[in-house]
Amino acid sequence: SQQGEEDPQALSIQEGENATMNCSYKTSINNLQWYRQNSGRGLVHLILIRSNEREKHSGRLRVTLDTSKKSSSLLITASRAADTASYFCATDAKGSNYKLTFGKGTLLTVNP
Amino acid sequence: DAGVIQSPRHEVTEMGQEVTLRCKPISGHDYLFWYRQTMMRGLELLIYFNNNVPIDDSGMPEDRFSAKMPNASFSTLKIQPSEPRDSAVYFCASTSGEEQFFGPGTRLTVL
Repeated sequence: SQQGEEDPQALSIQEGENATMNCSYKTSINNLQWYRQNSGRGLVHLILIRSNEREKHSGRLRVTLDTSKKSSSLLITASRAADTASYFCATDAKGSNYKLTFGKGTLLTVNP
Repeated sequence: DAGVIQSPRHEVTEMGQEVTLRCKPISGHDYLFWYRQTMMRGLELLIYFNNNVPIDDSGMPEDRFSAKMPNASFSTLKIQPSEPRDSAVYFCASTSGEEQFFGPGTRLTVL
């Protein structure tokens, strides 16, 4: 079964707006990661947040983690058309030895 | 570094045929993962290796699927015999730590 579940399944916004995607998971984790997948391509790692961290920034990306609610959010600020892609959260469960479990993703469309 | 290399990029075959997918991980990475992606089931982990040894193959759907890693720079995923429901994009990924690096995938179509 999928560990991470993203919502919404699809999000359409205008260029310049912010996009927020959420992820919920079920078990204790070592870390949570976000990946991006452009159509027809492999996944690309965006950012990793550890279980003892609450917030992390990387460029226009901001990730939060709430382990008490077993949830995370990914915020993309000042979106661009090039941000159009599917975004996946992946959890590294405790004791999993780097094995990741991916959600089904959020399809983000940024309209020019 | 060229990144994770997968071949072929596209494969079309007929039901019952043997299919072999290939992966070359990033040099120095000691973990290799095989995933399958479909619209219905999303991205599923099939099997992963550490130092060429299979660690967890619980995601391999059935005995028709097998994977090998004869050395640190090469892995194969074989489906024999193939069935239409095996149609999917198969990804290989490698890592030496937490962040995984994905190959471009092999799009398999079984007719």
